[in-house]
Amino acid sequence: TAGITQAPTSQILAAGRSMTLRCTQDMRHNAMYWYRQDLGLGLRLIHYSNTAGTTGKGEVPDGYSVSRANTDDFPLTLASAVPSQTSVYFCASSEWGQADQPQHFGDGTRLSIL
Amino acid sequence: GQNIDQPTEMTATEGAIVQINCTYQTSGFNGLFWYQQHAGEAPTFLSYNVLDGLEEKGRFSSFLSRSKGYSYLLLKELQMKDSASYLCAVRDSNYQLIWGAGTKLIIKP
Repeated sequence: TAGITQAPTSQILAAGRSMTLRCTQDMRHNAMYWYRQDLGLGLRLIHYSNTAGTTGKGEVPDGYSVSRANTDDFPLTLASAVPSQTSVYFCASSEWGQADQPQHFGDGTRLSIL
Repeated sequence: GQNIDQPTEMTATEGAIVQINCTYQTSGFNGLFWYQQHAGEAPTFLSYNVLDGLEEKGRFSSFLSRSKGYSYLLLKELQMKDSASYLCAVRDSNYQLIWGAGTKLIIKP
């Protein structure tokens, strides 16, 4: 089925460790996004990429980095995890520059930092 | 700053009608989206409004008033499967989506 695949589905990580969340899409969308979702808060944008080879910072980028080497993949890396990064992480994609095009979401990664 | 407001939680009865409101203040406006999110799942797209007025899609309708910075999602003939969170999001002048915290809708039999 076409769409966005995220891995892992869930993870428990010790504080101070690094981790990369993977995201792959097969819809050939040029724009991709990483959000975190915490109880009582809306989706908050961490980083985004409007096209392969470019990335930008969202609302809450500190402690996270991304790369966009090709159209399909957009990994998110936590260099040194802290407990406040415990959250559900969603990757999304869309067509950039077309206002009416919705973002499509992966199933999320549930990350717990202990 | 940018702000999207929605009620935190609403309760309705199976078979009834419910209206979920969303007010926004954003830097620029390039349309408003509604998404549905079942517990533990990803958000899924419901509707998009960019012009004032009502857009109808089956049991779901979405309304927009740009002058008032206001939208609502209307759900008719409620079913138990409609129990979910409903997220309002506005596309701003940078073409990014600004998200509300979501409204948790509880359907009672």
